[in-house]
Amino acid sequence: IAGITQAPTSQILAAGRRMTLRCTQDMRHNAMYWYRQDLGLGLRLIHYSNTAGTTGKGEVPDGYSVSRANTDDFPLTLASAVPSQTSVYFCASSGQGDSNEQFFGPGTRLTVL
Amino acid sequence: GQNIDQPTEMTATEGAIVQINCTYQTSGFNGLFWYQQHAGEAPTFLSYNVLDGLEEKGRFSSFLSRSKGYSYLLLKELQMKDSASYLCAGKDSNYQLIWGAGTKLIIKP
Repeated sequence: IAGITQAPTSQILAAGRRMTLRCTQDMRHNAMYWYRQDLGLGLRLIHYSNTAGTTGKGEVPDGYSVSRANTDDFPLTLASAVPSQTSVYFCASSGQGDSNEQFFGPGTRLTVL
Repeated sequence: GQNIDQPTEMTATEGAIVQINCTYQTSGFNGLFWYQQHAGEAPTFLSYNVLDGLEEKGRFSSFLSRSKGYSYLLLKELQMKDSASYLCAGKDSNYQLIWGAGTKLIIKP
């Protein structure tokens, strides 16, 4: 692995189903993030984790949950998917340093029908 | 509230210069970021400003005025591959990024 990976690449899901989006990074970054990106809107933060074992809510956390059992993995779970959760989901991570720029995974395109 | 404003779309000609503006309002300020995002791909980091002034990186430069809550991204010698969306993001007092909706830049030959 080099950088940050996400799985699946895309998924079509029936409303009411449970779904977990996976995210793994190998850069030993402390902080990780989940965003959704919808047409005409900026990236919106769903949940974040500043370090393994801790998580926090972002701007749009309802209907989503996360866990951070270790440094590398940060899965996002939709307990009961709804059509409004149709979006492109990006996972990102950032390390130490002046800018702490975020590095993004390739994204997961999720369609909830 | 927190807000990032940038134009929705701009058009420029190959070989020319274009300036993409961004105004921001964040609770606290810990830096201003620019990212590039090609269609169907992830955002990639371009620049970071935390002090007033111009930061130059090859064909791309970014400017910040903290007193005016204003930044711009300057792209010189435009190439067709520069056709992308450019995202402005401000880091707030909680060190979270507040994102603009992005400026879609269309380059014409």
